[in-house]
Amino acid sequence: KNQVEQSPQSLIILEGKNCTLQCNYTVSPFSNLRWYKQDTGRGPVSLTIMTFSENTKSNGRYTATLDADTKQSSLHITASQLSDSASYICVVRDNNAGNMLTFGGGTRLMVKP
Amino acid sequence: DTGVSQDPRHKITKRGQNVTFRCDPISEHNRLYWYRQTLGQGPEFLTYFQNEAQLEKSRLLSDRFSAERPKGSFSTLEIQRTEQGDSAMYLCASSKGRPPEQFFGPGTRLTVL
Repeated sequence: KNQVEQSPQSLIILEGKNCTLQCNYTVSPFSNLRWYKQDTGRGPVSLTIMTFSENTKSNGRYTATLDADTKQSSLHITASQLSDSASYICVVRDNNAGNMLTFGGGTRLMVKP
Repeated sequence: DTGVSQDPRHKITKRGQNVTFRCDPISEHNRLYWYRQTLGQGPEFLTYFQNEAQLEKSRLLSDRFSAERPKGSFSTLEIQRTEQGDSAMYLCASSKGRPPEQFFGPGTRLTVL
């Protein structure tokens, strides 16, 4: 069964600090990997999408990395802001699964002043 | 606002009642997806439409669940004889093009008493 595992489950950091969230997946063959941000009570919003050949992709203060050999991805948040408090979900698309995506359980980030 | 919209945002019902949710995708998005998300977990795929055709259904979609997209635009998700285990956030997403980037709606939170 394809799986996406995220760590840590939850994280508390102080405003202005950096943090890194991890995602390990077993989906194969792999098509692409996305990171979503989900505010409480809202739908997920896409931050980055990475294909097999991409190692790094940035979106403002968010930088995602991908190692397709080890099946690992990370999301680095720089100079965190209070508005970064949310769940961050790693999502992997199986090349053989049509339009079905496999979602991780998310990392709940809380940024405190 | 031209994003994905869902109605209602919240629904409280008694066990055994039927409920119906509506999703209006982004205009001209031909693909529409339904997901279920329980607290602290990532979304789980339920079903997928391309235009009016329901092309994929998860095993999570029991016979009490039915989804329609009669004219290839909005979609409805009906749950019959609701159970307490149906309590969750029901998310809708839509997409078009390649890769099919999915844009999520705000979700409908269902509470079954």
